[in-house]
Amino acid sequence: GAGVSQSPSNKVTEKGKDVELRCDPISGHTALYWYRQRLGQGLEFLIYFQGNSAPDKSGLPSDRFSAERTGESVSTLTIQRTQQEDSAVYLCASSSGQSPAGANVLTFGAGSRLTVL
Amino acid sequence: TQLLEQSPQFLSIQEGENLTVYCNSSSVFSSLQWYRQEPGEGPVLLVTVVTGGEVKKLKRLTFQFGDARKDSSLHITAAQPGDTGLYLCAGAVPSNTGKLIFGQGTTLQVKP
Repeated sequence: GAGVSQSPSNKVTEKGKDVELRCDPISGHTALYWYRQRLGQGLEFLIYFQGNSAPDKSGLPSDRFSAERTGESVSTLTIQRTQQEDSAVYLCASSSGQSPAGANVLTFGAGSRLTVL
Repeated sequence: TQLLEQSPQFLSIQEGENLTVYCNSSSVFSSLQWYRQEPGEGPVLLVTVVTGGEVKKLKRLTFQFGDARKDSSLHITAAQPGDTGLYLCAGAVPSNTGKLIFGQGTTLQVKP
C-alpha cells in the first residue's frame, strides 16, 4: 500500500481482556517497529523486526506483550490480560532499512488508540 | 539503556519569536533524526543528521548534531502557527542497525 495501515484505529476493552493490534507496512519495507505513546508523551520503543533476523524485543514492558511478523508483511502486537496502564496509542512504523549509520527513515501509521476500562 | 532527554517539554510562544529545542544524551548515537507529530497522526521525519558537528537547514528550521554525537538542537526562526506540534528527536543505537530511540518530545504552541 501507499502508507502504513493500522487497525483498529480505536479499541476500548475491559481490564483483563486480550487485544490484538495489526500493522500493514509499506510493501517492500524490511524493517518494522512498534512504539507506545502515552498522552502528550514521546515514543516508547517496544519491538523491532528487521528482515529475517531475530526481532529486538528489548522494549516489551512485560510478558503480557508479544508481537509477530509474517515474513516482511503484516505484524500483530498482542497484549494479554490488559491493564489500565496499557492505555495508550500504539504506533507502527516501517522502513526500507537501507540507510547508512542506522538512519532508517520511518514511515508511521496513524496508530491504534487503546483504552482499557 | 540509551536515553534521550528533550527540553523544554512544553513551549508556548507568539508568532514571530525564535526558539530552540534541545535533545541530550550521555550516550553516543550513530545518527539522529527529528520528527514532527500532529494530533491524531504519526510522526513525520523532518531531518536526519549523521556527522558530528553537522548543521542542516530546512527553510526556517536549523538542526545541529553535536561534535560528540551525543546531543542535537532544533532552532526555529520566526515561528508561525503552522509550526505548532510535538517535536521528537530519535537516535540510532550504534551496533544495532536500525533501532531508533525517541526522546519524550517537546510540545510547541505558536499563538497568532
